[in-house]
Amino acid sequence: EAGVAQSPRYKIIEKRQSVAFWCNPISGHATLYWYQQILGQGPKLLIQFQNNGVVDDSQLPKDRFSAERLKGVDSTLKIQPAKLEDSAVYLCASSLGDRGTEAFFGQGTRLTVV
Amino acid sequence: AQSVTQPDIHITVSEGASLELRCNYSYGATPYLFWYVQSPGQGLQLLLKYFSGDTLVQGIKGFEAEFKRSQSSFNLRKPSVHWSDAAEYFCAVGSFGNEKLTFGTGTRLTIIP
Repeated sequence: EAGVAQSPRYKIIEKRQSVAFWCNPISGHATLYWYQQILGQGPKLLIQFQNNGVVDDSQLPKDRFSAERLKGVDSTLKIQPAKLEDSAVYLCASSLGDRGTEAFFGQGTRLTVV
Repeated sequence: AQSVTQPDIHITVSEGASLELRCNYSYGATPYLFWYVQSPGQGLQLLLKYFSGDTLVQGIKGFEAEFKRSQSSFNLRKPSVHWSDAAEYFCAVGSFGNEKLTFGTGTRLTIIP
C-alpha cells in the first residue's frame, strides 16, 4: 500500500514570497491533516479535513495560510506571504476517519524562510 | 481542551538497558492515546495505540505502554533498548467525534554503547 506522499521535500524561500505544498493521502482515507512542526517541538495541527470539508482550522493563521482539498483527495497548503517564523517541517497525515484509527504521516516538507 | 505533557525533553540510556518515557494527558473523557516515533528527516511512525480494553498495549519493535486513568498517564516502556531506537518519541491524544490529534513536545532518546 502506498503511503502519504508529499512534495517538495525541501524548499527555501525568501520572506514575503509565497510557497505551496502538496499532499496525496492514502487511497480511501477520509481524514487529512496538515501539521506544522517547528524544530524541537511537537507537531501542531494547522487544519483537518473530513473528505473535502474543514473539521478544524482553529490554529491556521488565516491571514497568510490557506489550504484546500479538492474532491476530497489531494490537498495543498499555501503560505502567502511567508515570514521567518514559518520555517518548519510541514507534515501531512491521513486516516480512515473512524474512531481511534491511526494517522499515517508523510515524510514532510522542510521549509526554510530566509 | 485536550493536551499532552511529556516532561522529559531528552533521555540517555545505555544499549541493553530498560526504558520508560513519560506521558501525561488532559482530556475530559476516555481518550485515544498514541505513541509515535520520528527518526531524523522522517515522518512519524505509529508504535502503538490505546483505544479501549486492556490497559497494557503491545506495539511494534518490542515497545509497550500502560494506560493509567487514575494518573492520566500513558508511559512507554521497552525492556532492552537497541541503538536503532535512538529517535524522537511523541505521545498524542485523540478525541472522539472529530478525531483531532494533539501531540506532546516530544522526548529525544539517545542510546550510548
